[in-house]
Amino acid sequence: SYELTQPPSVSVSPGQTARITCSADGLPKQYAHWYQQKPGQAPVMVMYKDSERPSGIPERFSGSSSGTTVTLTITGVQAEDEADYYCQSADSGGSPWVFGGGTKLTVL
Amino acid sequence: EVQLLESGGGLGQPGGSLRLSCAASGFPFSSYAMSWVRQAPGKGLEWVSGIVSSGGTTYYADSVKGRFTISRDNSKNTVSLQMNSLRAEDTAVYYCAKVITSGQLGPFHYWGQGTLVTVSS
Repeated sequence: SYELTQPPSVSVSPGQTARITCSADGLPKQYAHWYQQKPGQAPVMVMYKDSERPSGIPERFSGSSSGTTVTLTITGVQAEDEADYYCQSADSGGSPWVFGGGTKLTVL
Repeated sequence: EVQLLESGGGLGQPGGSLRLSCAASGFPFSSYAMSWVRQAPGKGLEWVSGIVSSGGTTYYADSVKGRFTISRDNSKNTVSLQMNSLRAEDTAVYYCAKVITSGQLGPFHYWGQGTLVTVSS
C-alpha cells in the first residue's frame, strides 16, 4: 500500500527554523498537504498543493517539494507552533486520501 | 462560516452497529466531496471513507471496507457513516471533513470537532 513517511519528532528552539519532511514511497508523486493538530483539537490545514498557504495561516509557514519528498518549513518558530503535523496525499492507483504517521514538533 | 457538527458517537458493542452523522452549514454542501477521518487514542490520523459531491462514488479504507457505509443527503446537508460489525480497533474520535475545492477530491479545508466512538463490551 502507498505510504507517506514522516520523522516521529522534530525539536527546535524559538526563533529557529523547523523543517518537517514527508517522503512518498514512489512515483508519480501527487500533491501533498499539511495539517497542524494541537492536543484536544481538530486538525487545521496549514499548507496544500505542496506550497499553497490557506488564508489565515501565518507567512512563517511554507512548503516545498523535491522528487518524492515534500517539506513543511516553519521560519521563526513560535511556542504556539508546538503541535503534531501530518502530511496527506493521494495514492494515484488507489485511495484519494492517505496520511503520514505524523511528526511531533517540540519548541524547546 | 463553515460549520461541521458530528453526532452519533458513543459506546458500541463488538459486532454491533453505530451511525454517525455530520450536519454541514455555511457552504453549498452539494458541491463538495466529504470524508470521515478517525484518530485512535494517542495515535495519528487515519482516513476512513469519502464520498463525492453527488454521492455517486464512495471510497473506503481497507480497514473498514465491507463494514462501513458512507452516504449523504444533499437536501438535508448531511453526511453519514453507518458502522457495522464494530471492532475494538474502531475505537477513535471520528472527524467529518470538507474538501477545499468544489467538484474535486483533495485536501480537507474544514474539520468538525469530532465525535468519540468507543467499542467495548
